[in-house]
Amino acid sequence: DVKVTQSSRYLVKRTGEKVFLECVQDMDHENMFWYRQDPGLGLRLIYFSYDVKMKEKGDIPEGYSVSREKKERFSLILESASTNQTSMYLCASSFGQNNSPLHFGNGTRLTVT
Amino acid sequence: AQTVTQSQPEMSVQEAETVTLSCTYDTSESDYYLFWYKQPPSRQMILVIRQEAYKQQNATENRFSVNFQKAAKSFSLKISDSQLGDAAMYFCAYRSSNTGKLIFGQGTTLQVKP
Repeated sequence: DVKVTQSSRYLVKRTGEKVFLECVQDMDHENMFWYRQDPGLGLRLIYFSYDVKMKEKGDIPEGYSVSREKKERFSLILESASTNQTSMYLCASSFGQNNSPLHFGNGTRLTVT
Repeated sequence: AQTVTQSQPEMSVQEAETVTLSCTYDTSESDYYLFWYKQPPSRQMILVIRQEAYKQQNATENRFSVNFQKAAKSFSLKISDSQLGDAAMYFCAYRSSNTGKLIFGQGTTLQVKP
């Protein structure tokens, strides 16, 4: 079975802190994605990566950056956390073919105080 | 830009009955992929069913089937013989063939009544 592991299930950070959310997949997937999930808004795409060192902005990239130095790891970085970034963050991965389904991690619930 | 709309925030169905969840999307692309995902309470998101836009035949997976209307840009999910385990939030998703970007709708929470 594909495993997508997010490093933390719950995280509490202070406003202005730099925050790293880590995601690792074990299926040699080319594509990796970061979403945030908010009630009534569904999942919104922050960034995605279709290969090592490649990244593409999603629909809401402001306030975030990403890093993909190795194929299996995709990191989401909040340069200076703000309260409006309190959310559930979901990482996902898939093979490169566009009909390939996404496999999701369990999510990280981030609270910024 | 592509958009996905799920206009039903909540739905309920009696156990063993059939329910249909609606999804519409907007795109100028002719080739794309559509998916339904299920997110049980406090659990991981999983794939329910997928449809390639170039295929006219509607996809089916056991009790789950879709009604894909390409001209109308509609992609509804039908759940037959509903079970208590079907209770979850369901998300419709669109994946671009050009960019690989995958976007989701707002979700529909399905309640199954015993």
